[in-house]
Amino acid sequence: GQQVMQIPQYQHVQEGEDFTTYCNSSTTLSNIQWYKQRPGGHPVFLIQLVKSGEVKKQKRLTFQFGEAKKNSSLHITATQTTDVGTYFCAYGQNFVFGPGTRLSVLP
Amino acid sequence: DVKVTQSSRYLVKRTGEKVFLECVQDMDHENMFWYRQDPGLGLRLIYFSYDVKMKEKGDIPEGYSVSREKKERFSLILESASTNQTSMYLCASSPNRGGGNTDTQYFGPGTRLTVL
Repeated sequence: GQQVMQIPQYQHVQEGEDFTTYCNSSTTLSNIQWYKQRPGGHPVFLIQLVKSGEVKKQKRLTFQFGEAKKNSSLHITATQTTDVGTYFCAYGQNFVFGPGTRLSVLP
Repeated sequence: DVKVTQSSRYLVKRTGEKVFLECVQDMDHENMFWYRQDPGLGLRLIYFSYDVKMKEKGDIPEGYSVSREKKERFSLILESASTNQTSMYLCASSPNRGGGNTDTQYFGPGTRLTVL
């Protein structure tokens, strides 16, 4: 069946450094969503990508959907301590979630 | 704002007990979901529902059942709790845009269940 992997599983960065997480699928995705879960919190929707090659920005966050619609990335420029949390990609009508990337930001 | 509430934040039960986890959403969403979240495994879908009295199995339905008698309420039932069901349980809802189009999910705060 369809499988989605996220890399890396963990990432530790110094505050101010950039961060990227990747979501890779074995099959073509109709769309992809990104969520953020703060420690002790619940997942919160960030964005949805639908079109091949789509790029969307939210302040310091840049989201990209691959041309083949099999992969996606989330890039954070100049991380801040408020960026700490786990970032999940999700796809499909039944919202299947990737395993997530946990980001730690050292002040 | 969409609000999804869950009946308990923390719950401790004994092996073999029947456990009910309740979820209520106030935005008239058609779709509701139950996930469990475990370290290193992410969110895994247990059951979901697209309408009242409708239910569909997710990836890990074994040991669970659900009930959706009213649109706003989706209940997760552990018929006979076991220690391997100790987990964080998250409920979510989303509107139905139709045409196979997905939309954002709104999550409840979660219920941390411990089965002794």
